Amino acid sequence: EVQLVESGGGLVKPGGSLRLSCVVSGLTFSNVWMTWVRQGPGKGLEWVGHIKNKNDAGTTDYGAPMKGRFTISRDDSINTLYLQINSLKTEDTAVYYCATVKTHSVRVFDYWGQGTLVIVSS
Amino acid sequence: DIVMTQSPDSLAVSLGERATINCNSSQNILYSSNNMNYLAWYQQKPGQAPEVLIYWASTRESGVPDRFSGSGSGTDFTLTISSLQAEDVAVYYCQQYYSSPYTFGQGTKLEIK
Repeated sequence: EVQLVESGGGLVKPGGSLRLSCVVSGLTFSNVWMTWVRQGPGKGLEWVGHIKNKNDAGTTDYGAPMKGRFTISRDDSINTLYLQINSLKTEDTAVYYCATVKTHSVRVFDYWGQGTLVIVSS
Repeated sequence: DIVMTQSPDSLAVSLGERATINCNSSQNILYSSNNMNYLAWYQQKPGQAPEVLIYWASTRESGVPDRFSGSGSGTDFTLTISSLQAEDVAVYYCQQYYSSPYTFGQGTKLEIK
């Protein structure tokens, strides 16, 4: 059974930083591309970005609002995906989901974690 | 960026009846070299993470009931639930994966009438 478990969310003051983690089991983590999607309170889904696997150079891509403040990384030795968010803004308040990318050509998100809530407030 | 627009924003359908949700993309998401539409549909039940239902506009994900079907091409797409069940109450999102950023529609809330 594939499982994704996020952690690291919480209450943070504006301007602060946070690192979210996502531990993946039940598949060969090093083979898959991974993505983060966020959902503001009562809002829709917003793609944050993805990281490719090492065979595809492990490169990252981000949505425009995330460029410069968000960094996605991975540690294949411990099956863990990360999202570092700096200079947090109130509009970053959201549930952050990690998910697997189905394939490099079918960039839909097939396995999801339960999400971790980030609240940015003074 | 490709803007995805869904209609309606909310929908109430009786049990056993057909539900139809539309999705329009601001650009063509049919890739001519493989004749595939880079469009997916997700279902998000209250308090849960989304689940992918359909990709390539009409290919059902493994395990998805066949009452869910997708159609359309180019810029206009439809998700149809042929006979609504109580467990289908959810918000439905379309998503394009033709080009980054991979954008979602605003969502359609489906309820029982």
